[in-house]
Amino acid sequence: NAGVTQTPKFQVLKTGQSMTLQCAQDMNHEYMSWYRQDPGMGLRLIHYSVGAGITDQGEVPNGYNVSRSTTEDFPLRLLSAAPSQTSVYFCASRIVSGSGTYEQYFGPGTRLTVT
Amino acid sequence: DAKTTQPNSMESNEEEPVHLPCNHSTISGTDYIHWYRQLPSQGPEYVIHGLTSNVNNRMASLAIAEDRKSSTLILHRATLRDAAVYYCILRDDGGSQGNLIFGKGTKLSVKP
Repeated sequence: NAGVTQTPKFQVLKTGQSMTLQCAQDMNHEYMSWYRQDPGMGLRLIHYSVGAGITDQGEVPNGYNVSRSTTEDFPLRLLSAAPSQTSVYFCASRIVSGSGTYEQYFGPGTRLTVT
Repeated sequence: DAKTTQPNSMESNEEEPVHLPCNHSTISGTDYIHWYRQLPSQGPEYVIHGLTSNVNNRMASLAIAEDRKSSTLILHRATLRDAAVYYCILRDDGGSQGNLIFGKGTKLSVKP
C-alpha cells in the first residue's frame, strides 16, 4: 500500500490564483480530512469527509472547498489564494467504525507559499 | 471536544525513559485519549491510544489516571529518533465523525 499520498510537495502561488491540492489513499478508508499547519503551531482541521458524497467543515474552512466523488480521493481547492493561506497542508484518512477507534494516517504534506 | 494541557517542551537524555504528561480535566466518558507525534518535516504519526486501562505497544506505554483526568505517555528508552512534537488529543469515538483536534503539543528534545 502507498498509504496517503499528496501532490504536489511544494507550490508557489500568486495572490488571487487558484489551485487544487491532491490527496489519495489506497486503504479503502471512509474518513478523510485536510489540515493546515502554520509555523510553530499545531494542525488545524479545514474540512473532512466520512464517505463519498459527504463533506463537512472543520475549524478553519473559509477560503477552501472540497468534494468527495470517490472513496480514494479528497482534493482541496483554493479558489483565490491569499498570503494568509501560506502553510503546510496535510491530508489524513482512517477507517470509520461504529465501535472502537482506529489510528489516523497522514500524508507527507504540501508546502504552499502564496506571494 | 474536550481540551488537553501539555508542557510546551521537555528534554531527555538518550536511552533514558521519558514521561510526557497530559491533563484533560473535562474529559467525557466516551472520549478516547490519543497520542500522535510529528517528526521534523513529516506528517503526524499514530503512537498509542486508550480509554480507561493502561496500554502498551511496541512504541510506547500509556498510563491513564483512575479518574481519567490525566494521562502519561511513556517512552521506555528514548532514542535520537524520538525527538518530535508529541500531541495528546481527546476524541469522542462514540460516533463515526470524531475528529482529531490538535493543540500545540510538547516538543521533546533528546540529547546524546
